[in-house]
Amino acid sequence: DAGVIQSPRHEVTEMGQEVTLRCKPISGHNSLFWYRQTMMRGLELLIYFNNNVPIDDSGMPEDRFSAKMPNASFSTLKIQPSEPRDSAVYFCASSRGEGAIDEQFFGPGTRLTVL
Amino acid sequence: AQSVTQLDSHVSVSEGTPVLLRCNYSSSYSPSLFWYVQHPNKGLQLLLKYTSAATLVKGINGFEAEFKKSETSFHLTKPSAHMSDAAEYFCVVSDRVSDYKLSFGAGTTVTVRA
Repeated sequence: DAGVIQSPRHEVTEMGQEVTLRCKPISGHNSLFWYRQTMMRGLELLIYFNNNVPIDDSGMPEDRFSAKMPNASFSTLKIQPSEPRDSAVYFCASSRGEGAIDEQFFGPGTRLTVL
Repeated sequence: AQSVTQLDSHVSVSEGTPVLLRCNYSSSYSPSLFWYVQHPNKGLQLLLKYTSAATLVKGINGFEAEFKKSETSFHLTKPSAHMSDAAEYFCVVSDRVSDYKLSFGAGTTVTVRA
């Protein structure tokens, strides 16, 4: 299995531009998570999908952030417009079940820099 | 709410010597606890997890952790460090109410001296 796939691995953009991060979870996994990692705040859960349905988006910072999961094999996290404070590493993770007991498999992350 | 405190932000050990990474948790219920490792420019990988079974948990790569309820601790140990153990380690607790929600510690960076 290829594991969780994220693209791009690195993204540099200018303030105000739209950014789209992509994730392909492990085949057969029902749950998908988007996390953000920064030096100041550590790892934070942004949104959790189960069976393609958003269950908890309370971690999404503000309306500039949106996430979709149109099917079981693809998810996007979009930032529009982007701001310098959005610079971070964004991780996607997937798991088999509905709870944290099932191991979450993390992708390699997308390092976003907003100038 | 659940939370974890990793007591050391950085640990430096010599190759072949023991490693101890300390973690204390706060929980209103019986927690599920995890240790994840992150190598440079990589995603996180699960080392081990505690889910109310045996209090001594063995994980991958020779790591183990002991759940001590009386001390609210879940320290990670390895008897003999290897150069490949150099990484960042995260202690994690799950929220029993929303058990998909992981609360991460600030992380401990481990360096291994030859």
